[in-house]
Amino acid sequence: DAGVIQSPRHEVTEMGQEVTLRCKPISGHNSLFWYRQTMMRGLELLIYFNNNVPIDDSGMPEDRFSAKMPNASFSTLKIQPSEPRDSAVYFCASSFMLRDREIYEQYFGPGTRLTVT
Amino acid sequence: QQPVQSPQAVILREGEDAVINCSSSKALYSVHWYRQKHGEAPIFLMILLKGGEQKGHDKISASFNEKKQQSSLYLTASQLSYSGTYFCGTEINGQGAQKLVFGQGTRLTINP
Repeated sequence: DAGVIQSPRHEVTEMGQEVTLRCKPISGHNSLFWYRQTMMRGLELLIYFNNNVPIDDSGMPEDRFSAKMPNASFSTLKIQPSEPRDSAVYFCASSFMLRDREIYEQYFGPGTRLTVT
Repeated sequence: QQPVQSPQAVILREGEDAVINCSSSKALYSVHWYRQKHGEAPIFLMILLKGGEQKGHDKISASFNEKKQQSSLYLTASQLSYSGTYFCGTEINGQGAQKLVFGQGTRLTINP
């Protein structure tokens, strides 16, 4: 069974360019999470979706960041325009939530290492 | 609010035991433990929900205190494969299901 799939695995771009990160959650999972990991700030939740609907985007740093989940098997995280401080590893994770307040483990993808020069 | 993990780093010889702590200033709804090896994704270890709960598998176990403000991860008779950074992810009551705030991590190095 394939796990969470992320692409690209590495991205190097110049400041000001648009960056799009992609994620395919585990089949059957209905919750999807975008995290950012840096040495300084650790692992931070940016946004999460439940049944394709954004539930909490309070972790999105600013308007330059946007995320979409057009269907149950695909999500994107877009940064436009990108800045050097956006350099980080971006993880996508998915889980299955049957009822609100039920707790299920999150499965992380391999991550996308983003470098903005 | 980010939970506080201690210690920040620990170095052990194979076969020794380790304890990693995760503390919050507020009562928690749940605590999730993950291990991450360098350059890889975090891997789920276990979830604790109830005050006073203890659970574990193999030689890795965890506890959640009665007040639900502290959790500890226990690694006994450590193996080389246990090396990595351990994170606790915490959910604060009322913040929304599955919204986890992670600690800064504890780097565990196991030497032969």
